[in-house]
Amino acid sequence: DSGVTQTPKHLITATGQRVTLRCSPRSGDLSVYWYQQSLDQGLQFLIQYYNGEERAKGNILERFSAQQFPDLHSELNLSSLELGDSALYFCASSAPGSVGAQYFGPGTRLLVL
Amino acid sequence: AQSVTQPDIHITVSEGASLELRCNYSYGATPYLFWYVQSPGQGLQLLLKYFSGDTLVQGIKGFEAEFKRSQSSFNLRKPSVHWSDAAEYFCAVGTQTGANNLFFGTGTRLTVIP
Repeated sequence: DSGVTQTPKHLITATGQRVTLRCSPRSGDLSVYWYQQSLDQGLQFLIQYYNGEERAKGNILERFSAQQFPDLHSELNLSSLELGDSALYFCASSAPGSVGAQYFGPGTRLLVL
Repeated sequence: AQSVTQPDIHITVSEGASLELRCNYSYGATPYLFWYVQSPGQGLQLLLKYFSGDTLVQGIKGFEAEFKRSQSSFNLRKPSVHWSDAAEYFCAVGTQTGANNLFFGTGTRLTVIP
């Protein structure tokens, strides 16, 4: 158990819909990262937040957005969903100063029908 | 731009045999390197990491990896594989900027046969 929690574990929705994925980082970690894992794209970095502020952006679509709240939990919002958005979405967190050592949550499996 | 190549998509080894998973990276500066393992239906677990210093790093579960700058490689090794090691293994490179985001290879799936 990494200490990172993600909800829900599974999500089934339809094209065009909007969903919100939630992540709680390990206690004391200030950084939260979101990754997408799909069969065709592999593991891709989406976005990073540090103590409530956006720190880095990767291959995140404009239909996707994220935020980190004062209690440090984070939400990833996916809108206008397409079939190709079906994937595993992982959240990871890291402690201040621990460059690169990220701890991953169990993921949310999203299926868009 | 940084990138990671894991040339072996799938490797099969016998239980008790030695294991080496290959990883090559591309990055302009000294990289931060990581190996993660993902069991079926699970998240990624950090096996080991290299930041600087000794080029041979020890990790959890009996794994080790060696950083070879001249070959841009960071291969993962284990002297004797256990059936429970069957999983997907990912090599990743991290940058030295404040971003800390990781770039992952495509993974190597390890099958262990009795």
